[in-house]
Amino acid sequence: QQQVKQSPQSLIVQKGGISIINCAYENTAFDYFPWYQQFPGKGPALLIAIRPDVSEKKEGRFTISFNKSAKQFSLHIMDSQPGDSATYFCAAGHTGGGGGNKLTFGTGTQLKVEL
Amino acid sequence: DSGVTQTPKHLITATGQRVTLRCSPRSGDLSVYWYQQSLDQGLQFLIQYYNGEERAKGNILERFSAQQFPDLHSELNLSSLELGDSALYFCASSVAQGAGNEQFFGPGTRLTVL
Repeated sequence: QQQVKQSPQSLIVQKGGISIINCAYENTAFDYFPWYQQFPGKGPALLIAIRPDVSEKKEGRFTISFNKSAKQFSLHIMDSQPGDSATYFCAAGHTGGGGGNKLTFGTGTQLKVEL
Repeated sequence: DSGVTQTPKHLITATGQRVTLRCSPRSGDLSVYWYQQSLDQGLQFLIQYYNGEERAKGNILERFSAQQFPDLHSELNLSSLELGDSALYFCASSVAQGAGNEQFFGPGTRLTVL
């Protein structure tokens, strides 16, 4: 059962535009929501993360918006640049009873920023 | 460069064989995670170790096993390999074990089972 649903699957944005990627989760035990960026041939790299006690977090051109009641969160990339072209994954995690950390990933969004 | 190293980078083997993937975490990180990335299943969590002990388990097949050694490096053993095991296998590490601890991913090992 997929616990984190991500959309869209692919996205084309013009340079300078806003890229928006959405995720929805089911498990209310999740308390950590990171976004990862992956370039071809590389491992995922943490971009920005949020906890459910805040509704928004901004780091540079990247913003996470979080809606706890709707169980949804989204990534906004402002002033999108060709260098932002990559695959983006949302994820959700919680600390288990044994102290473990199990991240559940969305299916990924392939972003292409065109000149 | 995340500081996490994985060897080998590529591995080609035949069905029924056994392989071992190796991961060295970032200096100072005690927790190691293994993930499988395939086109049809996406990025799937397999297992987590913290300071040598198993801490969380995902959809890891019984044919797969892992361990973390006293020097904190980890190995993922895949046996009785099937065509469907072909995937990218990532190792990640973090300082501590709970959620909220940033996981740093290695470059991955690409496994091809023929």
